[in-house]
Formats: sequence, structure tokens, C-alpha cells
Amino acid sequence: DADVTQTPRNRITKTGKRIMLECSQTKGHDRMYWYRQDPGLGLRLIYYSFDVKDINKGEISDGYSVSRQAQAKFSLSLESAIPNQTALYFCATSETGGDQETQYFGPGTRLLVL
Amino acid sequence: AQSVTQLGSHVSVSEGALVLLRCNYSSSVPPYLFWYVQYPNQGLQLLLKYTTGATLVKGINGFEAEFKKSETSFHLTKPSAHMSDAAEYFCAVSERDSSYKLIFGSGTRLLVRP
Repeated sequence: DADVTQTPRNRITKTGKRIMLECSQTKGHDRMYWYRQDPGLGLRLIYYSFDVKDINKGEISDGYSVSRQAQAKFSLSLESAIPNQTALYFCATSETGGDQETQYFGPGTRLLVL
Repeated sequence: AQSVTQLGSHVSVSEGALVLLRCNYSSSVPPYLFWYVQYPNQGLQLLLKYTTGATLVKGINGFEAEFKKSETSFHLTKPSAHMSDAAEYFCAVSERDSSYKLIFGSGTRLLVRP
């Protein structure tokens, strides 16, 4: 089984709809991240969390919110989706101490906002 | 702010030829440096990283990269390309602070011709 899983893998929604993307991990890591990938722009950080009670905005947090329900779960919400939020979304994890520089990525969620 | 530049959005090589993917960063203080690979419809996988010590870093699948402080570069090479190397490659950096937030380049798609 994959260490970092994302659901759904693909989603089509309409402008104005609320949508939640979920990330779960079995690596036992305390840090979790959400990125979006757009063609020609690489990945950009949306939010990151160092533990359940520590959530921080990244480079492009406007229009997004997150929830860290447990150490293993980190959800990304689009409160009112808009077409320019169409992108590939990745969740990642890392651990404090040890190999703390390395992030491990999920398979991604492809989101299309019509 | 830290930035990462990858020269060439697409690089095409023949099977068996040298692969060279270029990456430059902007910080005057050397950050942590990473190369990730993304195969079609998959998440990102760490190829190699530089944190400290030897400036020539060896990674998986025969790839290596050399950190050159004077050139603020971390170029990725492989002596002989294989068809299975066709993928998108991302250079990334993170500051030497406690956040370990990754800043990505825009990516280079490697095409391998038979």
C-alpha cells in the first residue's frame, strides 16, 4: 500500500462549488504539505502543517483552507471553486528530526473546475 | 526571495547519450538542494539531494548532481540515457531553517529518442 494517499484522484466540479481534497499517510510523519502544480510553473506551496495544532500559509493560500484532523490526515478545501484553481494538487509529508529535509509525495489529485 | 531556475522546459536526447539538466538557485547562502522526478500520472519521487559534505551527490537510477557554490548551480547528469528516463524533472531548494519548505523550479521534461 502507498505511504501517502490522496482522494479523489480525479475530480470535476463547477464554479462556486465547495470541494475537499483529502490526504492520508501511514509514514508516521508529523509534517504535511499541500502543493499545486501548473504547467510551466512547477509546484507551489499552498499550506503546510508541522503538527495538528500548527498550520501555516504557504505562497498561494488565497481561496484555500485546510484542516489537520489527525497527525495522519490533512485536508485541503476550496470554499468556492473557480476555474483558475484547475490544477494538479499534491500532498507531501516529512518528519521532524532524522531525514527532515526530504518530502514524500502522494500521487496527486487532478482537479478541473468548469 | 529564493528562486530556482531550470533552463529548458524540454530537453531531448538520444538513448545512450549524456543527460544534462540545468538548475540554478538565487540564494547567497547555499540552501538544501533537491532533484525530484515525476513519471506520467505519478507523484514526485526524490532522485537525490545535497545537504552538506561532498558536493557530488549520487542518486537513484544512475543520476548524479554536483553542487557548485561559485556558480549557484546544481545540475543533474546521467552518462547514458535510457528510454525509462523519460519524465519531468524538478529542481527544488529549501532554506536552512526549521520550515524545510520546498521552492520548485518550473520543471524540465526529458524526452529520450530511440
